[in-house]
Amino acid sequence: NAGVTQTPKFRVLKTGQSMTLLCAQDMNHEYMYWYRQDPGMGLRLIHYSVGEGTTAKGEVPDGYNVSRLKKQNFLLGLESAAPSQTSVYFCASSYPTGSQPQHFGDGTRLSIL
Amino acid sequence: AQSVTQLDSQVPVFEEAPVELRCNYSSSVSVYLFWYVQYPNQGLQLLLKYLSGSTLVKGINGFEAEFNKSQTSFHLRKPSVHISDTAEYFCAVRGGGYQKVTFGIGTKLQVIP
Repeated sequence: NAGVTQTPKFRVLKTGQSMTLLCAQDMNHEYMYWYRQDPGMGLRLIHYSVGEGTTAKGEVPDGYNVSRLKKQNFLLGLESAAPSQTSVYFCASSYPTGSQPQHFGDGTRLSIL
Repeated sequence: AQSVTQLDSQVPVFEEAPVELRCNYSSSVSVYLFWYVQYPNQGLQLLLKYLSGSTLVKGINGFEAEFNKSQTSFHLRKPSVHISDTAEYFCAVRGGGYQKVTFGIGTKLQVIP
C-alpha cells in the first residue's frame, strides 16, 4: 500500500536547468497538491488540482508549472531553476470533502546551485 | 479567508512531562481542524482531526486536542511525552470550498531525556 509516492527523493540542479517532480497516488483521490516547505515558513501551497485535467494556482505559483493528465499523477515542473527554489517539496492528495485529511508523500529535497 | 497561528515555534519539554502545543485559527465559515506530525526526513502524518460533536478529540500516540469555538483555538496536548515524540507538529484548517488547506508554521517539540 504505497499511498503517495514522490520521485526523485533528492536532486541537485544548476541555476537555469529544468526538471520535473513526479507525484503518484494509489488512493483514487480527486484532489492533489504541491507544497514547498522552508524553515520558519511552514507549508506553502504552490499549485493544486481538483481533478484530472484541471489545475489552479496556490500561494506561491511563480516559477512553477503543473499538469494532471492522469488522475493518479500530478507533475510539478521548474522551467528555469533559481536558487530561491531550493526547498523541500511535498505532494499531497485527498478526497474532495472537507472532513477528509490530506495524505503526504515523503518529500523531494531540491537544491539549486 | 482563513488563517492559522501556532504560537510557539519551539517547545522543549522533559521526558514524561505534559505538553501543550497551541493553535489559534480564524475563518469566516465553519472549518475542519487537523493536527499533523512530521518526523525528520518524512512527510506529514495525521495525528487527529476535529469535524463536529465532542470538543475533545483523541488521536494517535496518546495525543488529544480540544476545540474551543469561542476562543477559536485547537490546542494539542499529551499528558506524558516520550523521546519518540520529538518532531514538528502542524495545525491545519480546512474550510470554505475545501480545496485549500491552511497550515500553521509548525511547532518543534523537543523532548529532553
